[in-house]
Amino acid sequence: AQTVTQSQPEMSVQEAETVTLSCTYDTSESDYYLFWYKQPPSRQMILVIRQEAYKQQNATENRFSVNFQKAAKSFSLKISDSQLGDAAMYFCAYRRLYNNDMRFGAGTRLTVKP
Amino acid sequence: ETGVTQTPRHLVMGMTNKKSLKCEQHLGHNAMYWYKQSAKKPLELMFVYSLEERVENNSVPSRFSPECPNSSHLFLHLHTLQPEDSALYLCASSLRILADTQYFGPGTRLTVL
Repeated sequence: AQTVTQSQPEMSVQEAETVTLSCTYDTSESDYYLFWYKQPPSRQMILVIRQEAYKQQNATENRFSVNFQKAAKSFSLKISDSQLGDAAMYFCAYRRLYNNDMRFGAGTRLTVKP
Repeated sequence: ETGVTQTPRHLVMGMTNKKSLKCEQHLGHNAMYWYKQSAKKPLELMFVYSLEERVENNSVPSRFSPECPNSSHLFLHLHTLQPEDSALYLCASSLRILADTQYFGPGTRLTVL
């Protein structure tokens, strides 16, 4: 079974600084998708960034980037120039290529200090 | 803010009640999903619908009954729930089944007394 582990229940960062959220996963598949979702206090789950496992290049979306280490089964999220609006729960998720079942980690609560 | 809406946002019900959760997507997607988000557990996929056909049911108790009358609407009918069913129920949609990205609604916070 595929599992997703987020080892940091809570993280905090100073505004304008950089923070990295960790995620590891367990799979025997070679092709799959990885995601980071953000869930602010309003509860709307929003896609932050996605990565296809067959792509070696790390995905980047503005201030958000990932460090995808396929051999280590690691998929960390880096948030640069943190803003107050980045405060939220962040969920790492995994999905096999031809499967509907998205597996989520337990989440990391990020606090941004002004 | 979102192409996926859910009503109600909050629901309190007794164990003998019957209620329904509604989800509507305005994105022209063909696949819709129900997830359960409990306080102590990661998100769990409950049901998947593609073009109004149920394609997946992840061992969900029969007291949860989904309905998808068309590709834009998804319901979750609830009856004789248990207190441990209290959770945030999230609806999501994607362009097609097995599409790589799902878009989530704001959720319904359900409390079962």
